[in-house]
Amino acid sequence: EVQLVESGGGLVQPGRSMKLSCAASGFTFNNYDMAWVCQAPKKGLEWVATISYDGSSTYYRDSVKGRFTISRDNAKSTLYLQMDSLRSEDTATYYCARRTGSWYFDFWGPGTMVTVSS
Amino acid sequence: DTVLTQSPALAVSPGERVSISCRASEGVNSYMHWYQQKPGQQPKLLIYKASNLASGVPARFSGSGSGTDFTLTIDPVEADDTATYFCQQSWNDPPTFGGGTKLELK
Repeated sequence: EVQLVESGGGLVQPGRSMKLSCAASGFTFNNYDMAWVCQAPKKGLEWVATISYDGSSTYYRDSVKGRFTISRDNAKSTLYLQMDSLRSEDTATYYCARRTGSWYFDFWGPGTMVTVSS
Repeated sequence: DTVLTQSPALAVSPGERVSISCRASEGVNSYMHWYQQKPGQQPKLLIYKASNLASGVPARFSGSGSGTDFTLTIDPVEADDTATYFCQQSWNDPPTFGGGTKLELK
């Protein structure tokens, strides 16, 4: 059974950093591209970043370029999102998702909430 | 970015048929996908590439469309289908989601 479990969320002050993790199991992690998708409270979904199966390629939405870094450790079957210079508008639930070749997301974790506030 | 427009809410009775629409601001070929999100849960893939049923999803769910206009149909609707339904396109960069349609049962 595919499982994705995020961790690392919480309350953080504006301008500070936070690192999210996503532990994957139930599939061959290094065969799949992975992504982070966020959802602000009571709002819709927004794609944040994607990393290729081997970590060689990364893609970001414009609003997080230069502030967020997606990475992975295939030996640990873990996906990461380093978030720097956090802003109030980054407040959201962050989901880890497995990305398919056609760029849809076939499995999602339960999410971890990030609140950026002073 | 490609904007996906969905009706905000629908209300139907159990046993009825419901169609949820998604209109794209530019063509997305057949690269439209549908997700179901129940309160407090993560999204779940229902339909991929416009009309393909994801694994384990009941055949009551179906998808259609191409280009800019797409539809998710549930027939018949069951009480457990109360949720918000999101469309997502992956033809144009970046991938984008619709605002969601909240389905309520009467």
